[in-house]
Amino acid sequence: SQTIHQWPATLVQPVGSPLSLECTVEGTSNPNLYWYRQAAGRGLQLLFYSVGIGQISSEVPQNLSASRPQDRQFILSSKKLLLSDSGFYLCAWGGWNTEAFFGQGTRLTVV
Amino acid sequence: AQSVTQPDIHITVSEGASLELRCNYSYGATPYLFWYVQSPGQGLQLLLKYFSGDTLVQGIKGFEAEFKRSQSSFNLRKPSVHWSDAAEYFCAVGGSRLTGGGNKLTFGTGTQLKVEL
Repeated sequence: SQTIHQWPATLVQPVGSPLSLECTVEGTSNPNLYWYRQAAGRGLQLLFYSVGIGQISSEVPQNLSASRPQDRQFILSSKKLLLSDSGFYLCAWGGWNTEAFFGQGTRLTVV
Repeated sequence: AQSVTQPDIHITVSEGASLELRCNYSYGATPYLFWYVQSPGQGLQLLLKYFSGDTLVQGIKGFEAEFKRSQSSFNLRKPSVHWSDAAEYFCAVGGSRLTGGGNKLTFGTGTQLKVEL
């Protein structure tokens, strides 16, 4: 069966520091991969999605970037964090015309 | 652009009472529709989905939802709520049979459900 791993679960980082969140999927090949952010009091906002290695689409302009170095690995990064980057980050995967399957999320607090 | 509206931010029901959470969407074609549930600090779990066919769909934990094309709605229902149902519920719209992309989702802002014992 397919599983999705996302780490770390929680992270506290100072303003201006770099960020790297990793997400990996097991048990499937060539998945669609997604990064969502959930800010306090708001719904889930799609940040990036990828349909294949090296293929990244950004949905909103921001201080973050994403990369997909391997088929089942999706990384969310920032060179310098801002206070506004705080939130709950969720990685998800899906097949062709399937629902999305979510990881357990990373709570990021920028201080 | 597609959008999802969940008009109720908070809902409180008594245990054993019935529940209906509202969801309206805007999309160019008949979309794929989903309801997800999120417990505090956790990821999202799929409750049910509508891709095509019968407009009344059954999900896990006794939930069901009805797709009404004429009203652009996909309301979630449960006949008898349990205390463990307290969580945040998200309605989402994805692609369609025409466009594919069922898992590139646009979410509503969520409805927080509180269950009184």
